Amino acid sequence: DAGVIQSPRHEVTEMGQEVTLRCKPISGHNSLFWYRQTMMRGLELLIYFNNNVPIDDSGMPEDRFSAKMPNASFSTLKIQPSEPRDSAVYFCASSGERFNYGYTFGSGTRLTVV
Amino acid sequence: EDQVTQSPEALRLQEGESSSLNCSYTVSGLRGLFWYRQDPGKGPEFLFTLYSAGEEKEKERLKATLTKKESFLHITAPKPEDSATYLCAVRNSGYALNFGKGTSLLVTP
Repeated sequence: DAGVIQSPRHEVTEMGQEVTLRCKPISGHNSLFWYRQTMMRGLELLIYFNNNVPIDDSGMPEDRFSAKMPNASFSTLKIQPSEPRDSAVYFCASSGERFNYGYTFGSGTRLTVV
Repeated sequence: EDQVTQSPEALRLQEGESSSLNCSYTVSGLRGLFWYRQDPGKGPEFLFTLYSAGEEKEKERLKATLTKKESFLHITAPKPEDSATYLCAVRNSGYALNFGKGTSLLVTP
């Protein structure tokens, strides 16, 4: 298995622009998570989906952030409009029913908003 | 609210110098404590899951232990390739993992 695949790996954008981050979870995993990592706050859960349905989006910082999971093999995290304080590494992770092994993380997208 | 505190924030060891990393937690209804390793520029990589006080897990030079309030990650005779950030996380009744900020470990030859 190729693992959790995220794209792009790096994104540099100007303040006010729309940014879309993409994630392909591991085939057969039914839970998907979006996390944001910064030096100051560490790893923060933004939203998670179970069977393509958003279960908890309480970590989404503002209405500027939105996430979708149209099918079991694809999810997006969109920021519109982007701001410099959104600069961070965004991770997608997935897990199966047997949670013993926690999540499998992707390699992340490093977002820089200038 | 779940809280996870890791200490120290950073640790520098000589190769072969054993030590322990600490993870203190408060959670209502622990359904697993997880240890991850994160290398620069990569996502966290799963190491261990512990479920109940007294439980221990081992993998090569790493051993994780769990009490009702904290977990330790013991590193025996570390090598430079063990240098990484080690993250601790807890799971309560939901699906989400709540992470600590990690301990950055540097092992020098």
